[in-house]
Amino acid sequence: AQKVTQAQTEISVVEKEDVTLDCVYETRDTTYYLFWYKQPPSGELVFLIRRNSFDEQNEISGRYSWNFQKSTSSFNFTITASQVVDSAVYFCALSERTGTASKLTFGTGTRLQVTL
Amino acid sequence: GAVVSQHPSWVICKSGTSVKIECRSLDFQATTMFWYRQFPKQSLMLMATSNEGSKATYEQGVEKDKFLINHASLTLSTLTVTSAHPEDSSFYICSARVLEQALPGYTFGSGTRLTVV
Repeated sequence: AQKVTQAQTEISVVEKEDVTLDCVYETRDTTYYLFWYKQPPSGELVFLIRRNSFDEQNEISGRYSWNFQKSTSSFNFTITASQVVDSAVYFCALSERTGTASKLTFGTGTRLQVTL
Repeated sequence: GAVVSQHPSWVICKSGTSVKIECRSLDFQATTMFWYRQFPKQSLMLMATSNEGSKATYEQGVEKDKFLINHASLTLSTLTVTSAHPEDSSFYICSARVLEQALPGYTFGSGTRLTVV
């Protein structure tokens, strides 16, 4: 069965600090997708990134970057120069296989608080 | 593209009544939709997978008679919380899988905050 672990329950940083959110996953499939979502207080889920299991290239998007390492089953997310607007709950998620019936399994989330 | 519209955004109902939540795929056909429940400060837990034209598949521990799911068309799935009780108060969110490569893979509704009083 697939499983996603986000060991950090809450992180508090001061604005402009860099912060890394950890994500470790378990799956028996060789084909899978990993996701990061942001959930602000309003509740809606904001898609941040999708990575398939065959693409281990790290990715950078503005202040966001992701480090995917299959050897350690990790897909960590770093925010550089954090801002107050980054305050939210961040979820890492895993989807095995492909097709419309593949369900998404979420980690427990990391609540990020960025203060001035 | 690939927008899921979920209504209502919030609802308050009396204990013992039923509440229906709708999710519509606006610009694509959703063969399968997923229904999640999220309690405060917790993760999203999959309740059931809704398949168009057939019975939903419920996760272990989810009462199918209490959480009725109907997916009668490729663009509409509904979740009805029957005989709601205060412990059913939660955030409910639907999702559909999107297969086009340019899109994120899963699109989510904006969620429904249910409060049972």
